[in-house]
Amino acid sequence: AQKVTQAQTEISVVEKEDVTLDCVYETRDTTYYLFWYKQPPSGELVFLIRRNSFDEQNEISGRYSWNFQKSTSSFNFTITASQVVDSAVYFCALSEASDQGAQKLVFGQGTRLTINP
Amino acid sequence: EADIYQTPRYLVIGTGKKITLECSQTMGHDKMYWYQQDPGMELHLIHYSYGVNSTEKGDLSSESTVSRIRTEHFPLTLESARPSHTSQYLCASSSRGWWTEAFFGQGTRLTVV
Repeated sequence: AQKVTQAQTEISVVEKEDVTLDCVYETRDTTYYLFWYKQPPSGELVFLIRRNSFDEQNEISGRYSWNFQKSTSSFNFTITASQVVDSAVYFCALSEASDQGAQKLVFGQGTRLTINP
Repeated sequence: EADIYQTPRYLVIGTGKKITLECSQTMGHDKMYWYQQDPGMELHLIHYSYGVNSTEKGDLSSESTVSRIRTEHFPLTLESARPSHTSQYLCASSSRGWWTEAFFGQGTRLTVV
């Protein structure tokens, strides 16, 4: 069965520090997608990135970067030069191939990130 | 910006009442989902739909029911609310297949007293 683990329940840093959110996953499938979502205080989950199981290239988008390593089943997320607006709960999630295309996301426990001014 | 709406945002209701949480999307997505988020933040899939007249149970057992009569509408109903149903309920939709991102509503925070 699939499982996603975010071992860091809460992280608190001072603005401008770099911070890395860890994500470890388990799956028996060879074809899957990994996602990161951000949940601000307003409640909705905001999509940040997806990565398929065959693409281990790291990705950078502005201050955000993601490191995907199949060898360690990890998909870590780094925020460089953090800002107060980055404060939110961040979720890592896994989606496996399914008939009829329904996306049944399995979420990690979430990491509450607080950036202090 | 996602076009998926949930009402009400907050609901406090007494035990035994019947409630319906509304979810609508204007993106024409076939697939819709309900996730339950417990106070510890974990999210679990409780219902999903492939399209009109399709409803399926998710990984977490739930006493709620859903219906999908129209593409854009996916309401969730609790026939008799109990304090154990207190949670945040998030609706989502997606297009194409299982590999695409889902779009989430802002959620309904339900408190049963």
